[in-house]
Amino acid sequence: TQLLEQSPQFLSIQEGENLTVYCNSSSVFSSLQWYRQEPGEGPVLLVTVVTGGEVKKLKRLTFQFGDARKDSSLHITAAQPGDTGLYLCAAAGGTSYGKLTFGQGTILTVHP
Amino acid sequence: DTAVSQTPKYLVTQMGNDKSIKCEQNLGHDTMYWYKQDSKKFLKIMFSYNNKELIINETVPNRFSPKSPDKAHLNLHINSLELGDSAVYFCASSQVISASPLHFGNGTRLTVT
Repeated sequence: TQLLEQSPQFLSIQEGENLTVYCNSSSVFSSLQWYRQEPGEGPVLLVTVVTGGEVKKLKRLTFQFGDARKDSSLHITAAQPGDTGLYLCAAAGGTSYGKLTFGQGTILTVHP
Repeated sequence: DTAVSQTPKYLVTQMGNDKSIKCEQNLGHDTMYWYKQDSKKFLKIMFSYNNKELIINETVPNRFSPKSPDKAHLNLHINSLELGDSAVYFCASSQVISASPLHFGNGTRLTVT
């Protein structure tokens, strides 16, 4: 079973700080997705990265796919309380055709 | 319009009972899924159906039986509920199987007492 190691598991920061969440694996993936989940709701897709070395920006969020397509990071600049939530990475490909493998998630709390 | 809707939102029941969760998607997607999210927020796939055909069946007790009457619906029936079945169950859909992004419902919180 291929694993996605996501870190940190918990992150509690003040408004205005920057943060980075990491998603690592020993497997090569065809693509990687990042989701955000708020309490009482399902995960919502933020971005999909496909090409090794790819960088995508979504306002204050920057997503990067590693050159070898084994890892990814999510960087948030000047975090706001509205960024609070559970962030999940999910990878496709490798030995798990047809399904996404999810990381354990990072619970982010941004204090005003 | 809700894209992926599942009912009920909350389900509280006793051990040994049988219960069902329903899911419908209006996105025209070919593939639907059931995921289980445990108390540590870990999401694990249970089943996947593509055009009503079972594609993925992870190591799930056979007390769990999915049914897809058409490609817009995927229901989950659970027999003889156990305490360990308590979790949040998410239905999801994607345009095609493989790496398509998932559209999730808002989950069904199942509590077995």
